[in-house]
Amino acid sequence: EPEVTQTPSHQVTQMGQEVILRCVPISNHLYFYWYRQILGQKVEFLVSFYNNEISEKSEIFDDQFSVERPDGSNFTLKIRSTKLEDSAMYFCASGTAYNSPLHFGNGTRLTVT
Amino acid sequence: DQQVKQNSPSLSVQEGRISILNCDYTNSMFDYFLWYKKYPAEGPTFLISISSIKDKNEDGRFTVFLNKSAKHLSLHIVPSQPGDSAVYFCAASARGGGADGLTFGKGTHLIIQP
Repeated sequence: EPEVTQTPSHQVTQMGQEVILRCVPISNHLYFYWYRQILGQKVEFLVSFYNNEISEKSEIFDDQFSVERPDGSNFTLKIRSTKLEDSAMYFCASGTAYNSPLHFGNGTRLTVT
Repeated sequence: DQQVKQNSPSLSVQEGRISILNCDYTNSMFDYFLWYKKYPAEGPTFLISISSIKDKNEDGRFTVFLNKSAKHLSLHIVPSQPGDSAVYFCAASARGGGADGLTFGKGTHLIIQP
């Protein structure tokens, strides 16, 4: 069964550094998402992406965050200057249509020191 | 601001019995509800969904009930199996309002006892 893949599984970075989290969504999916889960807290929506542009973003997704679909298969989340509070599990998800259930990857654990 | 609430952090059920997981929401704009299951070190896996035009949706051992007037939904698993032990997340979105991001509850850890 096709799946969403995320790399790396664990990323450690120093505060102030830039990180890029990578995702390969399911190939025929058109809607792409990033969510995050801070340890012990709920899964939170960050951003949705469709037709090569952001369709919706939460208040968490500030100017330090950006997303890109550079080559038609990868979907990346960039954090420009990481803060300690960015430490979390970041999940990529994709869907076939606007009202379809989302398929999630296994996540990237980001640790900012 | 918890728009989606799962008030039971954990639930223990004997194998073979029915598991009932509950979820309440406050945003009346929500019109699409989903349940996801999550194992440690894995992403959430979609289980079952329900649109606000329905009050019940069934898929094998899983049934979701929606009570719009009470802003409450529940997931029934029957019979419960050991492999059902996981964290279950309730999620909602206001798709009719053009908001496709999901709002998740904090999750309920279901433990199936042999």
